[in-house]
Amino acid sequence: DAGVIQSPRHEVTEMGQEVTLRCKPISGHNSLFWYRQTMMRGLELLIYFNNNVPIDDSGMPEDRFSAKMPNASFSTLKIQPSEPRDSAVYFCASSDGTLNEQYFGPGTRLTVT
Amino acid sequence: SQQGEEDPQALSIQEGENATMNCSYKTSINNLQWYRQNSGRGLVHLILIRSNEREKHSGRLRVTLDTSKKSSSLLITASRAADTASYFCATAFDYKLSFGAGTTVTVRA
Repeated sequence: DAGVIQSPRHEVTEMGQEVTLRCKPISGHNSLFWYRQTMMRGLELLIYFNNNVPIDDSGMPEDRFSAKMPNASFSTLKIQPSEPRDSAVYFCASSDGTLNEQYFGPGTRLTVT
Repeated sequence: SQQGEEDPQALSIQEGENATMNCSYKTSINNLQWYRQNSGRGLVHLILIRSNEREKHSGRLRVTLDTSKKSSSLLITASRAADTASYFCATAFDYKLSFGAGTTVTVRA
């Protein structure tokens, strides 16, 4: 298996623009997580999907953030409109059980100018 | 908060030496996991220890868990330059993993 795939790897955009991050989890995994990593706040869980259903989105910073999982092999995280404080590395992770180890993608480094 | 806190924040050792880092947490857990992150990369799972286990080994890694003290330690034996990375403990409760701030380990050749 290729592991968790994320795209793009790097994204530079201007404030106010829409940003869409993409994730393909490992085949057969039923849990998907989106995290954000910054120097100031470390790794934060943004949203958790189980069997394509959002279970916990309490970590989503505000209404500008939204996430979808239309099927078991694809998820998106959208920021609209983006702001400079959204600059971070965004990770997607998947797991075959909610208490099992998580497999992380390489991350998307987002820079909002 | 479930979040683990690692100690020390940074560690510099000579190749061949052992590296030990600690993690403390505040509430109940189902298991505790350790991850490694190389600079600019994603996190890689190293080892998982369940709440009813006290010690676990995987290759050069040894993890202990003391639920009465709410603490865990990760020992890397015979360190190599390739072990240079940040190491994170993550406490698992229900579906949620809560990560600490990490320990940055530098292994000098």
